[in-house]
Amino acid sequence: GAGVSQSPRYKVAKRGQDVALRCDPISGHVSLFWYQQALGQGPEFLTYFQNEAQLDKSGLPSDRFFAERPEGSVSTLKIQRTQQEDSAVYLCASSLAGLAARSSYEQYFGPGTRLTVT
Amino acid sequence: TQLLEQSPQFLSIQEGENLTVYCNSSSVFSSLQWYRQEPGEGPVLLVTVVTGGEVKKLKRLTFQFGDARKDSSLHITAAQPGDTGLYLCAGAFLPGAGSYQLTFGKGTKLSVIP
Repeated sequence: GAGVSQSPRYKVAKRGQDVALRCDPISGHVSLFWYQQALGQGPEFLTYFQNEAQLDKSGLPSDRFFAERPEGSVSTLKIQRTQQEDSAVYLCASSLAGLAARSSYEQYFGPGTRLTVT
Repeated sequence: TQLLEQSPQFLSIQEGENLTVYCNSSSVFSSLQWYRQEPGEGPVLLVTVVTGGEVKKLKRLTFQFGDARKDSSLHITAAQPGDTGLYLCAGAFLPGAGSYQLTFGKGTKLSVIP
């Protein structure tokens, strides 16, 4: 496909369940970002990968959040023991270049996964 | 923590009117991007500005980057119902401040009434 895809588009989890959210970036894009968007807010940075290396995870809200990109393409964001405050849209974005390249600031977003924790 | 303030938060106008949306920060951006987001979708990149004083036009949309690279504006001429959506500004701050991540404003929710 031409764009970033995410699955599932919607996920309902009971509090305490583990969830896994998948992101397929644009083919060949080096950088991959995860953001969390609460209702009525702008996206907030969670974590950043350059190829398979996770270079920044400063935005992850707790140690229940874990992200990986083992082969430098597809990425998975995992949330363990979900809580109600985890309910949000989780956005994945990719960009062509890596660190230090200005074009890396141009990020292309997927449609997001809306997570609802009941 | 770098913050981006967007104003107004909500805007409802009649078709054909003009409008301006503002994005301000106390910090200097190395680049700034404007996105438009529709319900149930991810943000779609509209423009990137990198040079102080830069002006870019995209059909009826005009984007301006402040001389000091701390603020930006989006002006829409003769708004159309298809312009309805959430407009987000996002800044990449100078190196040393996590420059490869974007910091987003809360957005301006625009409704254009036919």
